[in-house]
Amino acid sequence: DAGVIQSPRHEVTEMGQEVTLRCKPISGHDYLFWYRQTMMRGLELLIYFNNNVPIDDSGMPEDRFSAKMPNASFSTLKIQPSEPRDSAVYFCASSRQGGFGDTQYFGPGTRLTVL
Amino acid sequence: AQSVAQPEDQVNVAEGNPLTVKCTYSVSGNPYLFWYVQYPNRGLQFLLKYITGDNLVKGSYGFEAEFNKSQTSFHLKKPSALVSDSALYFCAVRDMEGGGNKLTFGTGTQLKVEL
Repeated sequence: DAGVIQSPRHEVTEMGQEVTLRCKPISGHDYLFWYRQTMMRGLELLIYFNNNVPIDDSGMPEDRFSAKMPNASFSTLKIQPSEPRDSAVYFCASSRQGGFGDTQYFGPGTRLTVL
Repeated sequence: AQSVAQPEDQVNVAEGNPLTVKCTYSVSGNPYLFWYVQYPNRGLQFLLKYITGDNLVKGSYGFEAEFNKSQTSFHLKKPSALVSDSALYFCAVRDMEGGGNKLTFGTGTQLKVEL
């Protein structure tokens, strides 16, 4: 199994630009999660999907952030316009069936730097 | 709300010695607890989890964790540390709200194993 795949691995952009992060979950996994990791706030859940449907987006910081999952094998996290405080590592994770005992598997992350 | 605490920002141990990385939790109801490891510039890797049953849980790479209900702890242990174990370790607890699909992570403990 290839694991969770994220692209790009690194992104450097200027303030005001649109940024799109991509994720391919593990095949057969019904749940997909987007996290953000910063030194100040640690790991934060931004949004998660079940069977391509957004279930909880309460962690999305602002309207500048949006996420989509058009099919079972692809999701995007978009920031428009980007700001320097969005600089962080963004992780995508997937899990098979959800629920209390289910395990989330993480991708390698995208390191975003907004200048 | 569920939470976990990792009281030590950093743990130093000599190679060959036993290691312990501490985690305490606060939950309403039964706890579902996880340990992940993060190597530099990598995503989080699942180590082990406690759902129910034996208080001693065995996981990947020789790690184990001891669940202690009376002390509300879930400490990560390894009998003999390796330099390659040096990494950032996260404890996490399942959020019981909303179907239990959300994980709340601790702040992380940096483990440094020295020769």
